[in-house]
Amino acid sequence: DQQVKQNSPSLSVQEGRISILNCDYTNSMFDYFLWYKKYPAEGPTFLISISSIKDKNEDGRFTVFLNKSAKHLSLHIVPSQPGDSAVYFCAASETTGNQFYFGTGTSLTVIP
Amino acid sequence: SAVISQKPSRDICQRGTSLTIQCQVDSQVTMMFWYRQQPGQSLTLIATANQGSEATYESGFVIDKFPISRPNLTFSTLTVSNMSPEDSSIYLCSVQPFYNEQFFGPGTRLTVL
Repeated sequence: DQQVKQNSPSLSVQEGRISILNCDYTNSMFDYFLWYKKYPAEGPTFLISISSIKDKNEDGRFTVFLNKSAKHLSLHIVPSQPGDSAVYFCAASETTGNQFYFGTGTSLTVIP
Repeated sequence: SAVISQKPSRDICQRGTSLTIQCQVDSQVTMMFWYRQQPGQSLTLIATANQGSEATYESGFVIDKFPISRPNLTFSTLTVSNMSPEDSSIYLCSVQPFYNEQFFGPGTRLTVL
């Protein structure tokens, strides 16, 4: 059973516009959420995270929003750049555990 | 952060053979993980490998199929045994040097014919 879901396998955005990647989860025990970025032939690299005590965390062009009541988080990239083209995975964990549960990923293409 | 290397980066293997994947970290870490990413799927945790103890396997994964070694705090191996085409995946190791922060290796792309 997939506890973390990314329902959009792909997304295309014009350079300079906003990219919004969505993620839903089912386990109410999750209280820590992360986004990873993955280029082809490379392992995932950590991008940004958010704890459940917050509803927003911002780091430069990247902002993650968390809606706990809806069990939904999103990653906003503004402005989008061609170098942002990659697969983005959201992940969730319980702070009492070490296991990360990953979504299936969204492939973002930023068109110059 | 932690710098992680994996060998081999990719391999094509025959059905029924075994492949051992190596994971090397540039610093000592207690917790190391092995993941699998099948085509179109999410990253799935195979097992947690802590130095000095037996690996802990997740549901659906067994030691006979995926034996793991963790001889020291910077190195681990995962063996994919008696391979079948269904084992074709990307295999990734990761480490958790800090609480709630995992770093991944570049992955090993395995194709089983």
